[in-house]
Amino acid sequence: GENVEQHPSTLSVQEGDSAVIKCTYSDSASNYFPWYKQELGKRPQLIIDIRSNVGEKKDQRIAVTLNKTAKHFSLHITETQPEDSAVYFCAASPVSSASKIIFGSGTRLSIRP
Amino acid sequence: DVKVTQSSRYLVKRTGEKVFLECVQDMDHENMFWYRQDPGLGLRLIYFSYDVKMKEKGDIPEGYSVSREKKERFSLILESASTNQTSMYLCASSPGGGLEKLFFGSGTQLSVL
Repeated sequence: GENVEQHPSTLSVQEGDSAVIKCTYSDSASNYFPWYKQELGKRPQLIIDIRSNVGEKKDQRIAVTLNKTAKHFSLHITETQPEDSAVYFCAASPVSSASKIIFGSGTRLSIRP
Repeated sequence: DVKVTQSSRYLVKRTGEKVFLECVQDMDHENMFWYRQDPGLGLRLIYFSYDVKMKEKGDIPEGYSVSREKKERFSLILESASTNQTSMYLCASSPGGGLEKLFFGSGTQLSVL
């Protein structure tokens, strides 16, 4: 089945700097790649997603890139702010089971003032 | 707004007990999911359901079963609770029909003593 690996597990950046979180997946047939943000004590929420027919997608300060050949996708956060501190999860959805979403192990992002 | 409600925020059970975790969604979503969240392991899929009475195993189904008798309700059952099932359990739903965004409940922190 699909396996998603996420790095790094923790990341600390200075406020205003950029943060990058990377994920790889194993099932070459996967075609949907969402990113979820979970603030402390709250439920995960979708922040951005990308489909396999698109290489890059942006939404204000966040962007996701996808390299299907390498089975690799990344989350980029620019001009980081204190409210970006959270745990971020990448995920992949295999085509064989379109509803099934498999998550990575998460990255705890801390923004230093 | 989609509402996904989990019946209990905290539960304490004894080893060997049968445990029921209930989840209800109010947006007529086709798909429902049970994940468990453990530090450093991310969100691991236990079971999901894509229709009433239909279910599929996720990555860690051992020791669990599920029931979906009505579209809005998805129950997770621990037949004989064990200490290694102490965890945060998250229910989620998604619309289906190509719309995969997950809406999560607030979670149930289960402690098995």
